[in-house]
Amino acid sequence: GQQLNQNPQSMFIQEGEDVSMNCTSSSIFNTWLWYKQDPGEGPVLLIALYKAGELTSNGRLTAQFGITRKDSFLNISASIPSDVGIYFCAGQGYGNDMRFGAGTRLTVKP
Amino acid sequence: GAGVSQSPRYKVAKRGQDVALRCDPISGHVSLFWYQQALGQGPEFLTYFQNEAQLDKSGLPSDRFFAERPEGSVSTLKIQRTQQEDSAVYLCASSLIGNGYTFGSGTRLTVV
Repeated sequence: GQQLNQNPQSMFIQEGEDVSMNCTSSSIFNTWLWYKQDPGEGPVLLIALYKAGELTSNGRLTAQFGITRKDSFLNISASIPSDVGIYFCAGQGYGNDMRFGAGTRLTVKP
Repeated sequence: GAGVSQSPRYKVAKRGQDVALRCDPISGHVSLFWYQQALGQGPEFLTYFQNEAQLDKSGLPSDRFFAERPEGSVSTLKIQRTQQEDSAVYLCASSLIGNGYTFGSGTRLTVV
């Protein structure tokens, strides 16, 4: 089953607003990743974080790797309609597999 | 190829039928993963290959699930005697080494 707790489960926001979502785990991870999934497609990597405390940006997206290595957050600034989709956090430990959260479904109202 | 290709995109199987799902990873990618994604959930790890070696199959839910990658490129996930709870999207991902996975669009399996 899922080992990551992702919040919120869904968000309804107005275009132009900022968005924040987070992920927590009972396990320590060495890498945190954030993906976006559109309907009928596989997840697409947005941001990868490799070090505790790391803060990384990719355009309007900013993500941080928590100091405890058990959490991460993703912020989206000035949302636009194409930001609609499901956002997943994923953690990777010493093994090769990634563990995913249950996702945050984002709806942006124009 | 340019991306990870999965086939078929959709598969409807009668309960008890065997199915085979194919994944063509990005050329040269050493690592290949299979994930199962139930409706409204995140992907769950099934199995991992490095070249032709299956290094981790801890996520396979039962012995009805079997995966292979005999030549270190194309992989097949086989499900025997399908049951309704097997209905899900099956995602394949590949990477060179470590991070930077690229996912395919998945195969949606519906067992009726």
